[in-house]
Amino acid sequence: DAGITQSPRHKVTETGTPVTLRCHQTENHRYMYWYRQDPGHGLRLIHYSYGVKDTDKGEVSDGYSVSRSKTEDFLLTLESATSSQTSVYFCAIRNPGTSGTSTDTQYFGPGTRLTVL
Amino acid sequence: GQNIDQPTEMTATEGAIVQINCTYQTSGFNGLFWYQQHAGEAPTFLSYNVLDGLEEKGRFSSFLSRSKGYSYLLLKELQMKDSASYLCAFNDYKLSFGAGTTVTVRA
Repeated sequence: DAGITQSPRHKVTETGTPVTLRCHQTENHRYMYWYRQDPGHGLRLIHYSYGVKDTDKGEVSDGYSVSRSKTEDFLLTLESATSSQTSVYFCAIRNPGTSGTSTDTQYFGPGTRLTVL
Repeated sequence: GQNIDQPTEMTATEGAIVQINCTYQTSGFNGLFWYQQHAGEAPTFLSYNVLDGLEEKGRFSSFLSRSKGYSYLLLKELQMKDSASYLCAFNDYKLSFGAGTTVTVRA
């Protein structure tokens, strides 16, 4: 399995508090992603990174910020958590492989279950 | 715009074959992924198709037609452990996922 971990694995917090989720990889992959998964919506991209200090927004980025100060860590921050951010958050790392071939792979971390009361 | 569709649910009998279809629309396309996700777990990589045609990996095969914006995942010799959600996602530099197809395998 790819070397990707997430912390914490479970968190319960209150509305209005800041929350930071950590994704750590040992694969030295350039690309890292944060998704949220909710019933009926599948996996939705929040933010992604294509290198140290290089990040971009996904389709559901409002209320979230990210930082990547080193290759192995990608942090997701909820500045002021809301109940609508209760979800399961998955980090993923990607090795694009050789262009035009089926060698592109993306692996997911174990997930963080966040509950905002 | 971008869109990806797959059926919500499918049921099949142990030992049978099931085909999960996925259609997509996108302005940029580099390939199509299939993932398996058991309840309460993270998605796990199954296949990635870049070129048209069928790729076989044991009991699982994946097909792609770029001109039709269509892919399918074929699960053969179904086992109870294959009960899971199956997610397709197209690669346009970042991955865009469908909502997933829940497959239930019955004895």
